[in-house]
Formats: sequence, C-alpha cells, structure tokens
Amino acid sequence: DQQVKQNSPSLSVQEGRISILNCDYTNSMFDYFLWYKKHPAEGPTFLISISSIKDKNEDGRFTVFLNKSAKHLSLHIVPSQPGDSAVYFCAASVGSRAGSYQLTFGKGTKLSVIP
Amino acid sequence: DGGITQSPKYLFRKEGQNVTLSCEQNLNHDAMYWYRQDPGQGLRLIYYSQIVNDFQKGDIAEGYSVSREKKESFPLTVTSAQKNPTAFYLCASSFKKGQRSGANVLTFGAGSRLTVL
Repeated sequence: DQQVKQNSPSLSVQEGRISILNCDYTNSMFDYFLWYKKHPAEGPTFLISISSIKDKNEDGRFTVFLNKSAKHLSLHIVPSQPGDSAVYFCAASVGSRAGSYQLTFGKGTKLSVIP
Repeated sequence: DGGITQSPKYLFRKEGQNVTLSCEQNLNHDAMYWYRQDPGQGLRLIYYSQIVNDFQKGDIAEGYSVSREKKESFPLTVTSAQKNPTAFYLCASSFKKGQRSGANVLTFGAGSRLTVL
C-alpha cells in the first residue's frame, strides 16, 4: 500500500513558466513533508520541507503548499529553469512516533524544462 | 567538506556472490540509512541505524545485512539470498531525533549501482 503517491510520472514545462508537482498521501500521522531533487546516477538533494501545522513554505523560487484536509501537497517552481530538469521526490515522515526515523518516498516525477 | 561517500560507484557481481557496499560520513550524524531505487520506483528503505551497534530492518530487508561498528560507517552486504539485487543503492544520514527541530532531513551519498551478471 503506497502511502505517498506521485501520480504524474513526468511533466514538461516551458522555461520561465510555473512548474507544479503534486503529491498525495494516505497516512494521517505524517507531520513533516519534504521534497528532494535527483539527477541520474546521483543521490537526491533536499529542496524544501513543510510541517503539517503550516499550509505554505517558501524558499526562493520554490514554494510548497499543504492541504491537510485533502491530504495533498504541491511544489511550485517559479520561474522554471532548464537546470530544474530532474526527478522530484515527495517524502513524508511521522515525527511524533518515538524512534521513527523513516522517510516514506513517492515514486517521483520527472520534470523537463524546455528552453 | 562534510558529506557521505559511497563506494564503489559501479559494481558487477556474479549470481551467488555476496557483495559489500561501503558508506562513510563525516557529518557527525547519528542516524544512517540504506535505500534502494529501481526504475520507476521510489526509494525503498532497506535498513537504518539510529546509533552505533544498533540497526533496524526497513521495508525490504530480506537478502541484505548491515553493521554499525563505528558512527561514521554503515556498510551494506547484498547476499546471495537477495532475489533481485540489480539496483541503485543510496546511503543517507541524518541527525538523531531531538537534536534538531523540524523535518528529519536526510543527506544522501552519490549512490552505488550494482549489476548482477
């Protein structure tokens, strides 16, 4: 049973436009959500996170929105740049559960930014 | 520079052989993890360790073994019992819960690609 779902395997966006990557989750106990960016043959790099007590977190061109009632979050990249082309993973964790260190990842969305 | 070093980057193995993937970190992190990535799949947790000499199974631990004798090192052995070992393996580390507020941000290594011939 997949607890973190990224239903779009790929997304193509024109340079300068907005990229919106979506993520849905099923576990109500998740209290932190993270986005990672990954290039082929490299490890993922952390982009941005959001706590479940917030509905928005912004860092430069990257903004993450959280809709707890819908169990949905999205990553907005504005403006999109060719260097943003990568696979983006959504991840979630249950921070309140003692001893829990695990991040549960979605399957990823491959973003292609077209010059 | 602080970071995580995984070696080797590429590894080929014959069926029936055990192989060990190395992971070393100099970030002074207490927790370390091994994830596996397959094409079109997310990252799946194999094993994790919160402190030295202690580790727990993740979602797909069968056919794998780990050790945590030093804080800096968390090697992963892929045994012959692993039915489909060809994959991209990622090691990660993080601060222990309570050391930092906020999300448990994992820092990843560059990965090791294992191919079984």
